[in-house]
Amino acid sequence: QQQVKQSPQSLIVQKGGISIINCAYENTAFDYFPWYQQFPGKGPALLIAIRPDVSEKKEGRFTISFNKSAKQFSLHIMDSQPGDSATYFCAASQENAGNMLTFGGGTRLMVKP
Amino acid sequence: DAGVTQSPTHLIKTRGQHVTLRCSPISGHKSVSWYQQVLGQGPQFIFQYYEKEERGRGNFPDRFSARQFPNYSSELNVNALLLGDSALYLCASSWDRGHGYTFGSGTRLTVV
Repeated sequence: QQQVKQSPQSLIVQKGGISIINCAYENTAFDYFPWYQQFPGKGPALLIAIRPDVSEKKEGRFTISFNKSAKQFSLHIMDSQPGDSATYFCAASQENAGNMLTFGGGTRLMVKP
Repeated sequence: DAGVTQSPTHLIKTRGQHVTLRCSPISGHKSVSWYQQVLGQGPQFIFQYYEKEERGRGNFPDRFSARQFPNYSSELNVNALLLGDSALYLCASSWDRGHGYTFGSGTRLTVV
């Protein structure tokens, strides 16, 4: 069964701190790993994505680390801000098979001022 | 450019009823996917349509059906509603099946 497991379920970080969210997947056919940010009442918005040919991707304060052998990937949010408080979802898909996303269970992040 | 638009934004239905949810993709996007997001969980894939044909189906009962129209807009239909169908239904569109999807804000369905 295709699954993506995400941890922790919730996370509280002080302003300026580093937020780290982890995901693990089972299906080795997955070749596209995006992270989404969702605010209450809104749909998920693509934050950053990585493909398994690289081990790290950085965009501003957001970094994805990818470990293909362990089938794990993580999101690091540097210098976390109160405006980053949202629910974060990791996901995985096969780009050449329609890119249908399998989502993790989500992490509710709260950044305290 | 307008994003993915979904209607209605909220809906309350009674068990056993039928519901139709609508989605207009971003202009130029030919692929539409539907996801169900139960409160406190990640979205679950329901259907994918590309060029008006069903290209993928998730693990949902036959009570769920969808279609895509010539203008690439889409409808999701759910028959014989159950309490467990209460969820946020998300529509996402993309240029084609191999590119990243943009999500709409969803339709909040409550079944009572």
